[in-house]
Amino acid sequence: NAGVTQTPKFRILKIGQSMTLQCTQDMNHNYMYWYRQDPGMGLKLIYYSVGAGITDKGEVPNGYNVSRSTTEDFPLRLELAAPSQTSVYFCASSITQGPYGYTFGSGTRLTVV
Amino acid sequence: QKEVEQNSGPLSVPEGAIASLNCTYSDRGSQSFFWYRQYSGKSPELIMFIYSNGDKEDGRFTAQLNKASQYVSLLIRDSQPSDSATYLCAVNMRTSYDKVIFGPGTSLSVIP
Repeated sequence: NAGVTQTPKFRILKIGQSMTLQCTQDMNHNYMYWYRQDPGMGLKLIYYSVGAGITDKGEVPNGYNVSRSTTEDFPLRLELAAPSQTSVYFCASSITQGPYGYTFGSGTRLTVV
Repeated sequence: QKEVEQNSGPLSVPEGAIASLNCTYSDRGSQSFFWYRQYSGKSPELIMFIYSNGDKEDGRFTAQLNKASQYVSLLIRDSQPSDSATYLCAVNMRTSYDKVIFGPGTSLSVIP
């Protein structure tokens, strides 16, 4: 059981480039999330999805986009990368709303130069 | 006021002591509360959740919730060097999508 798988683990982008961070889960969870974590700042929600075909913005969505065509996959797209997007990105999933914790992927460390 | 606040630390305790980690939250209607442990360079891992007032124990960990004071804490008994990590408090806010807000985390160091 792989859980939540994120790729790549590390990436360096130049300003203005674009990329897609991949996230796949094999637990049949309906809810999926993308967070970014900056040093000392905790986790900030970028986008979330409550099921295939349904996505919505979180706290810090600017500069990002998502899609959810299947239950398993929730890719995060960065368009026109900026230094402010240098961060560690975590994908997470949960079975439903309510008092259920999240299962996190191993993260992607992104540097924009 | 920030939605979820934690002392950033670092908190240092000797091996075998009790470590006490604190968290306050702003939304009085919050329903569920979580503690995640995050080792350096790793992803957060859920270690406890609580949604009723009082204490919840799991091994060496005890979560304490006081909704009237909007306060949740995590006690780690018999602290071990392997407990050295950052502990994130997360609160399930009362919004349309059950928004979970994470605190900035408290860094714990257990000294052998």
